[in-house]
Amino acid sequence: EDKVVQSPLSLVVHEGDTVTLNCSYEVTNFRSLLWYKQEKKAPTFLFMLTSSGIEKKSGRLSSILDKKELFSILNITATQTGDSAVYLCAVLLGTSGGTSYGKLTFGQGTILTVHP
Amino acid sequence: EAGVTQSPTHLIKTRGQQATLRCSPISGHTSVYWYQQALGLGLQFLLWYDEGEERNRGNFPPRFSGRQFPNYSSELNVNALELEDSALYLCASSSTWDRDGTDTQYFGPGTRLTVL
Repeated sequence: EDKVVQSPLSLVVHEGDTVTLNCSYEVTNFRSLLWYKQEKKAPTFLFMLTSSGIEKKSGRLSSILDKKELFSILNITATQTGDSAVYLCAVLLGTSGGTSYGKLTFGQGTILTVHP
Repeated sequence: EAGVTQSPTHLIKTRGQQATLRCSPISGHTSVYWYQQALGLGLQFLLWYDEGEERNRGNFPPRFSGRQFPNYSSELNVNALELEDSALYLCASSSTWDRDGTDTQYFGPGTRLTVL
């Protein structure tokens, strides 16, 4: 069964801290790994990673994928209260015709709380 | 550019009734995905429509069904509602599946379905 596991499940930090969120996966037909931020309702897309070892960066956020060890990390530097959210890791599966084709399999999410 | 839109925002039904949820994808996107996010559970893949056809479905009973219209908007129908169907239903859209990097799924704000 396809599985995505995130750790920690929750994290409380103060503004200015740096945090690292982890995502490991065991899936068949890996296509890509995605990170989303969910504040109220709609998960907001952050990164898509397909190649191992290449860091994606956007402002204070960065992410990297290790396809050999089957994990990814999301780093947030100089955290702000606006970073408080649930961070979701998801793996996009599938080759054409497979039963897992097209679906995102999500981890449980990491609840990040940033205090002023 | 408008994002994915969903209606209604909230829906309250009683057990045994039917619910219809609607989704309009980002302009130019042909694929629509439905996910269920129940309290305490992660996002679970429900259905995927592309070019008017159902491409894949998750492990949900047949009373969860849907369709995609010629303008690529989509409808999710849930028949014979049960209490455990209470959840946030998220719709996502993506552009053509086979082109690398363009199948990122972008989510709408969701419909909160409450079954009494």
